[in-house]
Amino acid sequence: AQTVTQSQPEMSVQEAETVTLSCTYDTSESDYYLFWYKQPPSRQMILVIRQEAYKQQNATENRFSVNFQKAAKSFSLKISDSQLGDAAMYFCAYRSSRYNNNDMRFGAGTRLTVKP
Amino acid sequence: GAVVSQHPSRVICKSGTSVKIECRSLDFQATTMFWYRQFPKQSLMLMATSNEGSKATYEQGVEKDKFLINHASLTLSTLTVTSAHPEDSSFYICSARVIAGNEQFFGPGTRLTVL
Repeated sequence: AQTVTQSQPEMSVQEAETVTLSCTYDTSESDYYLFWYKQPPSRQMILVIRQEAYKQQNATENRFSVNFQKAAKSFSLKISDSQLGDAAMYFCAYRSSRYNNNDMRFGAGTRLTVKP
Repeated sequence: GAVVSQHPSRVICKSGTSVKIECRSLDFQATTMFWYRQFPKQSLMLMATSNEGSKATYEQGVEKDKFLINHASLTLSTLTVTSAHPEDSSFYICSARVIAGNEQFFGPGTRLTVL
């Protein structure tokens, strides 16, 4: 079974600075998807960024980018120019590309605090 | 982006009663819907996967007779917590997968409190 590990329960960053959230995963599959979700106090899950495992290029979405290291099974999220609105729980998630086993597995989460 | 709604957003019930939570995909059809449970300060734990027109697949440790899931149409799935007890108090989140797609969208969640 696939597992997702986020080793940082809490992280803090100064406004306008850069922070990196770590995520590792364990899988025997070669094709899969990785995601970072943001969960603000409203509890609504918001997709931040996604990465297809077959793509070597790291995904980017404005201030958010990932460092995808397939061999190391690492998928970190970098937030540049942090804003107060970035404060939230961040979950790393894995999903197999196989149709019969395509539910999403989440890490334990990292609580990000942004200091003004 | 696609919208998934959940109703109710918050429910308080007495121990022993049953509670139904609805999950709707508002502007797309979803062959697959997922139900998650999230305890305070914890991650989302998958409870079950439901496919339209077929029985739900439950994760290990989730009682299928207690958490009844019905996915009668491509836009609606329901989770019924039967004979609820205080330990069932949690935040329940549904998620819907677009037909033949890789996108998955989450509902806003339902907070269940069992007294």
